[in-house]
Amino acid sequence: AQSVAQPEDQVNVAEGNPLTVKCTYSVSGNPYLFWYVQYPNRGLQFLLKYITGDNLVKGSYGFEAEFNKSQTSFHLKKPSALVSDSALYFCAVRDSLSFYNNDMRFGAGTRLTVKP
Amino acid sequence: DGGITQSPKYLFRKEGQNVTLSCEQNLNHDAMYWYRQDPGQGLRLIYYSQIVNDFQKGDIAEGYSVSREKKESFPLTVTSAQKNPTAFYLCASSIEAGVIAKNIQYFGAGTRLSVL
Repeated sequence: AQSVAQPEDQVNVAEGNPLTVKCTYSVSGNPYLFWYVQYPNRGLQFLLKYITGDNLVKGSYGFEAEFNKSQTSFHLKKPSALVSDSALYFCAVRDSLSFYNNDMRFGAGTRLTVKP
Repeated sequence: DGGITQSPKYLFRKEGQNVTLSCEQNLNHDAMYWYRQDPGQGLRLIYYSQIVNDFQKGDIAEGYSVSREKKESFPLTVTSAQKNPTAFYLCASSIEAGVIAKNIQYFGAGTRLSVL
């Protein structure tokens, strides 16, 4: 069964600095990886996904993520953080072997705080 | 939050009472999902449905029930058997074309349920 871990509950960065939110995964087949963002009392919004191909995936709002198969990681990055990036970020994974099973596993979430 | 509408935004349940959370989507998606979100635990799947009149239990289905009589609607009932219902409930949907595991899930704004 697939699983995902977000090792940091909280990440604090200063505005203008680069940010990284970490995610590691475990699957039996190939991973399909997703990042979502959640603002207070709202649903999750899709940021980006990795299915196959280029290891660097670009998404919404200037975010990107790097897939690293050897380290089983899919860290979310942004070159210059904004205060408005402050939110809860979720990494999610599906296994390529779960074709007949809608089993998306979410991490526990990482709260990003960007200070002015 | 796209074309997924959850209502009400806030809901209060009395002891021994069943309550129903509404989820409607106008995205013409075949699959719909219910998740429960608790602080520090990420999202846990309650039920999902791939087609009308069919649904499957997720990881934490006990104390919950669903129906899928129409493609656009997937209501969740929190029964009196659910002893700890206080949580944020999220409904999601996705298309079923192609490889299911690659598809993005789109989320509603959520319903916050509390016990009186």
